[in-house]
Amino acid sequence: DAGVTQSPTHLIKTRGQQVTLRCSPKSGHDTVSWYQQALGQGPQFIFQYYEEEERQRGNFPDRFSGHQFPNYSSELNVNALLLGDSALYLCASSLARGFMRYTFGSGTRLTVV
Amino acid sequence: AQTVTQSQPEMSVQEAETVTLSCTYDTSESDYYLFWYKQPPSRQMILVIRQEAYKQQNATENRFSVNFQKAAKSFSLKISDSQLGDAAMYFCAYRSETYNNNDMRFGAGTRLTVKP
Repeated sequence: DAGVTQSPTHLIKTRGQQVTLRCSPKSGHDTVSWYQQALGQGPQFIFQYYEEEERQRGNFPDRFSGHQFPNYSSELNVNALLLGDSALYLCASSLARGFMRYTFGSGTRLTVV
Repeated sequence: AQTVTQSQPEMSVQEAETVTLSCTYDTSESDYYLFWYKQPPSRQMILVIRQEAYKQQNATENRFSVNFQKAAKSFSLKISDSQLGDAAMYFCAYRSETYNNNDMRFGAGTRLTVKP
């Protein structure tokens, strides 16, 4: 299956630490979007990467940063973790051209203690 | 800013029956896309159905259909002949038609339980 792969599936970090989450897009897709889904809420857009650049950013502080590699895979980095950063982080891939139909991964569950 | 509201935190349906999930949204745009996503316990968001705002005809996908009322800014999902596998969280989502606006807005979700 060439769907979206995210790693790790679960992660526990301490307040103040830094974390890196990883995403491999669906085969053929060139755009990666990251979403944060807090418990009991819908996903919120963090940012989108295309051609190794941040294309658009949602309402998230600079502690959230990302990167896209030449093979289209992506990383989400969060610095100075807060308890409120505990959430499910979803990665979605798509094609930049044409209708943007997302394929989502199963997410990384981050718990900050 | 666009917002999406799902007023039903939980819904329940008997197997083989029909259920309708509600969604309203707020926007000043005339062209946009609306979606219903399903999120089972596996956590992966799965596209159920989508509707382009410029299309008057309601979208259908097998047992799933929508009632799109553009003037009322309403976008409900009807699930016919409900199956046990339909049990999941359902999210309504909005996306602008503007090429560079890739921010998809989601509602808070509705948890659907299917009773055997």
